[in-house]
Amino acid sequence: NAGVTQTPKFRILKIGQSMTLQCTQDMNHNYMYWYRQDPGMGLKLIYYSVGAGITDKGEVPNGYNVSRSTTEDFPLRLELAAPSQTSVYFCASSYSIYTANYGYTFGSGTRLTVV
Amino acid sequence: EDKVVQSPLSLVVHEGDTVTLNCSYEVTNFRSLLWYKQEKKAPTFLFMLTSSGIEKKSGRLSSILDKKELFSILNITATQTGDSAIYLCAVEKKTSYDKVIFGPGTSLSVIP
Repeated sequence: NAGVTQTPKFRILKIGQSMTLQCTQDMNHNYMYWYRQDPGMGLKLIYYSVGAGITDKGEVPNGYNVSRSTTEDFPLRLELAAPSQTSVYFCASSYSIYTANYGYTFGSGTRLTVV
Repeated sequence: EDKVVQSPLSLVVHEGDTVTLNCSYEVTNFRSLLWYKQEKKAPTFLFMLTSSGIEKKSGRLSSILDKKELFSILNITATQTGDSAIYLCAVEKKTSYDKVIFGPGTSLSVIP
């Protein structure tokens, strides 16, 4: 069982470039999330989705966009990369509306540097 | 404003030591508190706590929640180098499924 798969694992972008971080899960989870993690700051929610076709903003959505055309895929798009978006990005999924007894399942992360 | 605070932020111990990691929170509409272990990559789930005073245990790790004091601890006994990681505390709110608030993490290093 692959769980949550993120690609790429790391990337360097120039200011103003765009890119898409891919996230796929094979657990048939309805709920998917994108977080960014900065040193000493914990995880901050960027966007989340409660099912195919439904997305909403989290705590730090500016500069990002998402789509959810299928249950499995939840890509995160950076349109005009800025140095402030240098971070580690995690995709996560969960089965129920709440984390139940298993928490989230996280992907392995994407380390993004914007120069 | 909701917040989750962890202490210490970093800790270095010797193998065999026992450590206690702290998590305090100020969150409205509390539902549960979660502990994660993050090694090089993704956080992995350790415990979910919803009731005060009931210890959750997994091998050398244990955790307990005090909902009156808004506090949780994670204990690791007989530490091993494999316990070196960042330990994240998170609080889930009842009212909204987008509200899991993470603390900054405690970075634990266990040296031989």
